[in-house]
Amino acid sequence: NAGVTQTPKFQVLKTGQSMTLQCAQDMNHEYMSWYRQDPGMGLRLIHYSVGAGITDQGEVPNGYNVSRSTTEDFPLRLLSAAPSQTSVYFCASRPQQGRGNTIYFGEGSWLTVV
Amino acid sequence: AQTVTQSQPEMSVQEAETVTLSCTYDTSENNYYLFWYKQPPSRQMILVIRQEAYKQQNATENRFSVNFQKAAKSFSLKISDSQLGDTAMYFCAFMKLFGGTSYGKLTFGQGTILTVHP
Repeated sequence: NAGVTQTPKFQVLKTGQSMTLQCAQDMNHEYMSWYRQDPGMGLRLIHYSVGAGITDQGEVPNGYNVSRSTTEDFPLRLLSAAPSQTSVYFCASRPQQGRGNTIYFGEGSWLTVV
Repeated sequence: AQTVTQSQPEMSVQEAETVTLSCTYDTSENNYYLFWYKQPPSRQMILVIRQEAYKQQNATENRFSVNFQKAAKSFSLKISDSQLGDTAMYFCAFMKLFGGTSYGKLTFGQGTILTVHP
């Protein structure tokens, strides 16, 4: 059972480049989300999804796009990378309401924008 | 909106001793979960302990226990018999239990770096 898998683990981008952080889970979880972790600020919610075809913005959505075409996958797109997006990104998932309250995290993706 | 505050940026403790990490939160909700997560240098997010707000009994997991004071909106973590492997960043987090678009969202505190000295 792989859990939540994030790729890539490390990435260096130039300002203005685009890229996609991949997130996949094999637990049939309805709820998936993306967080970013910056020094001294804890984790902040970027975007989340409560099921295939349904996404919504979190606390810090600017500069990021998401889509949820399948239950398993929830990619995070940076359309035009900026140095302020240098961070560690975490994908998380959990089952639907009433089927457990454990949130599963991926191992993180380190992104540096130069 | 919920807020979570960890007022101790750094803490240190000697091996085998006990340490308490503080967390306060602000919410108008009555049904929610509170969590403590451990993040070692690998950055992996590891669930340490979870408390349901409707339960009066404080949660315990081996050497880890919480002091949950709902009226005071306080949720501290006590680590007994500290071990070198406990060295990590610790995050307190809040999750609303029911309802609409808030479901499943975690609100994190700023984190406390704990160092266990031999």
